[in-house]
Amino acid sequence: AQSVTQLDSHVSVSEGTPVLLRCNYSSSYSPSLFWYVQHPNKGLQLLLKYTSAATLVKGINGFEAEFKKSETSFHLTKPSAHMSDAAEYFCVVSRTGTASKLTFGTGTRLQVTL
Amino acid sequence: GAVVSQHPSRVICKSGTSVKIECRSLDFQATTMFWYRQFPKQSLMLMATSNEGSKATYEQGVEKDKFLINHASLTLSTLTVTSAHPEDSSFYICSAPQGSTDTQYFGPGTRLTVL
Repeated sequence: AQSVTQLDSHVSVSEGTPVLLRCNYSSSYSPSLFWYVQHPNKGLQLLLKYTSAATLVKGINGFEAEFKKSETSFHLTKPSAHMSDAAEYFCVVSRTGTASKLTFGTGTRLQVTL
Repeated sequence: GAVVSQHPSRVICKSGTSVKIECRSLDFQATTMFWYRQFPKQSLMLMATSNEGSKATYEQGVEKDKFLINHASLTLSTLTVTSAHPEDSSFYICSAPQGSTDTQYFGPGTRLTVL
């Protein structure tokens, strides 16, 4: 069994300031963890993924996330927010090594203000 | 990265009619595809797993006779919403894993509106 908890349903930051979107997971298996971004009325785009290699994962558009097994966390960060980062972000867990079902968090809406 | 397309992107239909949504993997083969439904401001809910050459596997609470899934080839899965009603209005998204990896790639989604 596996589950994902996104701790904030809504995060608001000013342009140019850091972004932190929090995610905690639980899994009976060795997990693969993903962050996806969804812009309004669009599909999901993969930002980055962790699959048991380096614990600090770098993704597209300046995002990165750190896998912390002891804290069962996989928080998403970006040093400087851009207006185009405003979107819905989903933390997702699956079982490593299988094309299996994904378990989604409830999503965090990121708002970026001037 | 791998590309998954969906067609149509948007469809409006009358209550009682059937609507077919296509999901294609454009540059890779997918023996398995997944269909999700997303209500406004909510997360994705897995509806079913589409298996090439065999029957789809439906999640609990999803009516298999209402949401018909066909995975006729290694690059195409279709979802048909039969006898659609207004409560079926939603955003439908498909995904497919590429090769033996566990990374899934998502289609752009189909917005279904049933009048």
